[in-house]
Amino acid sequence: GDSVTQMEGPVTLSEEAFLTINCTYTATGYPSLFWYVQYPGEGLQLLLKATKADDKGSNKGFEATYRKETTSFHLEKGSVQVSDSAVYFCALSPGSNYKLTFGKGTLLTVNP
Amino acid sequence: EPEVTQTPSHQVTQMGQEVILRCVPISNHLYFYWYRQILGQKVEFLVSFYNNEISEKSEIFDDQFSVERPDGSNFTLKIRSTKLEDSAMYFCASRFSSTNEKLFFGSGTQLSVL
Repeated sequence: GDSVTQMEGPVTLSEEAFLTINCTYTATGYPSLFWYVQYPGEGLQLLLKATKADDKGSNKGFEATYRKETTSFHLEKGSVQVSDSAVYFCALSPGSNYKLTFGKGTLLTVNP
Repeated sequence: EPEVTQTPSHQVTQMGQEVILRCVPISNHLYFYWYRQILGQKVEFLVSFYNNEISEKSEIFDDQFSVERPDGSNFTLKIRSTKLEDSAMYFCASRFSSTNEKLFFGSGTQLSVL
């Protein structure tokens, strides 16, 4: 079945550091790929998405590129802020039902 | 931005008891979901609901689980006879249409079964 594997956390960075959170997936066909973020006390929010190979999703300075050849969708940000501290989830959806398969989540803490 | 609201935020129950988790999806949304996350594990899909019926369910969603949209605004998840292993964070989600990929999630209900 479909699965998502993402980098185990927690990840602790200083403000303005470069962030990478790795995500790889296993799926049949051509799934859509997503990054969700959960800030403390809140629900999961869609951060960015990509629906086909070589698409780049971007939002709030975060980026991820759909790499079919490596089945990856790594999340990057050039300069993190304290306000980026949250749990980040990689997910895929195989079709139009948007039944998401999630990774375990990666806790990011950014220190001033 | 519109929100999906879940109540209560925490629920404690005894094993074998029935529990109902409540969700108010965004008002013009048509597709509804329940997910759960057991501590330390992945967020797992439970069920999707559209047009007053279940459209898909996972293996987890057995006869002990049911969903209902009783009044056009609430979307509930009922667990008939809770087990210890039902302890988890339960997330409700909704989206507007079949072509709109953006799922809006609630902040979750933490269910503890003792």
